[in-house]
Amino acid sequence: NSKVIQTPRYLVKGQGQKAKMRCIPEKGHPVVFWYQQNKNNEFKFLINFQNQEVLQQIDMTEKRFSAECPSNSPCSLEIQSSEAGDSALYLCASSLWSSQNTLYFGAGTRLSVL
Amino acid sequence: QQKVQQSPESLIVPEGGMASLNCTSSDRNVDYFWWYRQHSGKSPKMLMSIFSNGEKEEGRFTVHLNKASLHTSLHIRDSQPSDSALYLCAATNYNQGKLIFGQGTKLSIKP
Repeated sequence: NSKVIQTPRYLVKGQGQKAKMRCIPEKGHPVVFWYQQNKNNEFKFLINFQNQEVLQQIDMTEKRFSAECPSNSPCSLEIQSSEAGDSALYLCASSLWSSQNTLYFGAGTRLSVL
Repeated sequence: QQKVQQSPESLIVPEGGMASLNCTSSDRNVDYFWWYRQHSGKSPKMLMSIFSNGEKEEGRFTVHLNKASLHTSLHIRDSQPSDSALYLCAATNYNQGKLIFGQGTKLSIKP
């Protein structure tokens, strides 16, 4: 069973609404990733953190999403104004450090934007 | 844009048969390759990783890497129904850190 905890498992929002999801990485893992998996199983990297600092993020994330990994609190990913195209499975993963280390994924938050 | 291409898109293999999955990166800076397996409704789990040219075997699973062509392949012998899943290839380089995933190969093992 995954030690990366994501909540909620399911999220239903209307267009224009905020959608927030959370992730508790595996204990001792300083690196956290967020990916979006669409209905065609395509993975899109959104953002990653090392401890509380953003390492990389894509343009979409910079503009429409806000994400943080505060010390001693769950990481979070929030879509400021949901669009139909945001409907997807949002996967959080953690690792010891980037590049060479295995990513451990949470069960995901399935977002449906109506 | 860095791309990871997988083939075939889907594969049906009889139980006990050999499944062969392919993956190629278009980014010449890639150093590391992973294979993840995602059962339906579950999260991806790392199956095997390979960082050096050659072959690596773990039980029924063998992975090959050719760094010159940036091609990796995963072979599953004596396939079992429980091997039915989406197989995702991922690649990264030391400087990038983020894993770039392919679109996956959907493997079905027919009893």
